[in-house]
Amino acid sequence: DQQVKQNSPSLSVQEGRISILNCDYTNSMFDYFLWYKKYPAEGPTFLISISSIKDKNEDGRFTVFLNKSAKHLSLHIVPSQPGDSAVYFCASQSYNTDKLIFGTGTRLQVFP
Amino acid sequence: GAGVSQSPSNKVTEKGKDVELRCDPISGHTALYWYRQSLGQGLEFLIYFQGNSAPDKSGLPSDRFSAERTGGSVSTLTIQRTQQEDSAVYLCASSLPGEGPEQYFGPGTRLTVT
Repeated sequence: DQQVKQNSPSLSVQEGRISILNCDYTNSMFDYFLWYKKYPAEGPTFLISISSIKDKNEDGRFTVFLNKSAKHLSLHIVPSQPGDSAVYFCASQSYNTDKLIFGTGTRLQVFP
Repeated sequence: GAGVSQSPSNKVTEKGKDVELRCDPISGHTALYWYRQSLGQGLEFLIYFQGNSAPDKSGLPSDRFSAERTGGSVSTLTIQRTQQEDSAVYLCASSLPGEGPEQYFGPGTRLTVT
């Protein structure tokens, strides 16, 4: 039972353009949604989060949108840079448990 | 300040042997988590500590897996009688409850069972 799904295993974007990474979830009780970036042989690095009571959160080049009716969230990276090339994981957290539930990740490649 | 550290970074062991993986969380972080990532998969929750107590062990896959935390700091994940399906990257994270949902991860231990 996969509660958090990232249906696109990979995405390729030209430098300077927008990258949009998508995530779907099934449990309406999730309180927070988070995005992590992971480089090879390193641990995941926290990028940005959003509370379930909001529909948008922005931090520099990164914006996360939450559509609760569709149980869908997305991460927008504008403008994309070659250093953004990594695997991106979305994760969710319920208010009554601190554990994070992760999607399977999307590999983003930003080319010049 | 120092981040989460884990040791060893790589471990190769023979099937049937026991292994111990260590995690040193960020100083002052009371919450500590273990996850693992198998090849091509997302991160899978194993166990959560608040202080030295483990209120959520629901992710431990079998009784061969155990973990402890002492002094509210360092944690050890032990896998007994390792099997090939235990091969994965084991990741530790820590957080300070009340300061947001984000957890901070260490670099992981890559375990290979031959």
